[in-house]
Amino acid sequence: QKEVEQDPGPLSVPEGAIVSLNCTYSNSAFQYFMWYRQYSRKGPELLMYTYSSGNKEDGRFTAQVDKSSKYISLFIRDSQPSDSATYLCATDLFHSGNTGKLIFGQGTTLQVKP
Amino acid sequence: DAGVTQSPTHLIKTRGQQVTLRCSPKSGHDTVSWYQQALGQGPQFIFQYYEEEERQRGNFPDRFSGHQFPNYSSELNVNALLLGDSALYLCASSLRQGDQETQYFGPGTRLLVL
Repeated sequence: QKEVEQDPGPLSVPEGAIVSLNCTYSNSAFQYFMWYRQYSRKGPELLMYTYSSGNKEDGRFTAQVDKSSKYISLFIRDSQPSDSATYLCATDLFHSGNTGKLIFGQGTTLQVKP
Repeated sequence: DAGVTQSPTHLIKTRGQQVTLRCSPKSGHDTVSWYQQALGQGPQFIFQYYEEEERQRGNFPDRFSGHQFPNYSSELNVNALLLGDSALYLCASSLRQGDQETQYFGPGTRLLVL
């Protein structure tokens, strides 16, 4: 079993739709979760990070962590064609605190159609 | 402020050869991590350098080695290249602030092994 599982998609939505991207993780000790966006032939760009359970909002993006079900989500409101990219969820490799050594999911490819 | 830079951008090698990839961290960052991203997959952690020492290592063979210089720049060396080493190699830099260490990625070096 992979430590972080993510549906690779692709996911195609019309412009303006609400997008939900999801990951599950296997180790309940993980506490630090991140979402990265990666455009084609570019490096990953950090979108959001969050500790433990709850929601964190930043503009059109909301990150949600449910530790009871080991489930993390990224919601994108009013999606735009410029949001078309691969979205990677990640958690820290070590269990106690954030050390900067990341475990990534496979990535979900999102296409937002005008 | 320059972000993380990597060179070269693309590289073609043949099996059995050796390759060296280079990374300059974001200004003010003292830690460099290397990741391998195969096509359609999320990045996988190779190792991390801090104060010119390898601090942590992922599940990669000894053919993968690295170095960090006093100016915090870093090199990744891969010996005896295999076809399976073809991938995007990403460098990420970070600076620990409190209990947090956010990774900033470079654009990557795309390596093709023939």
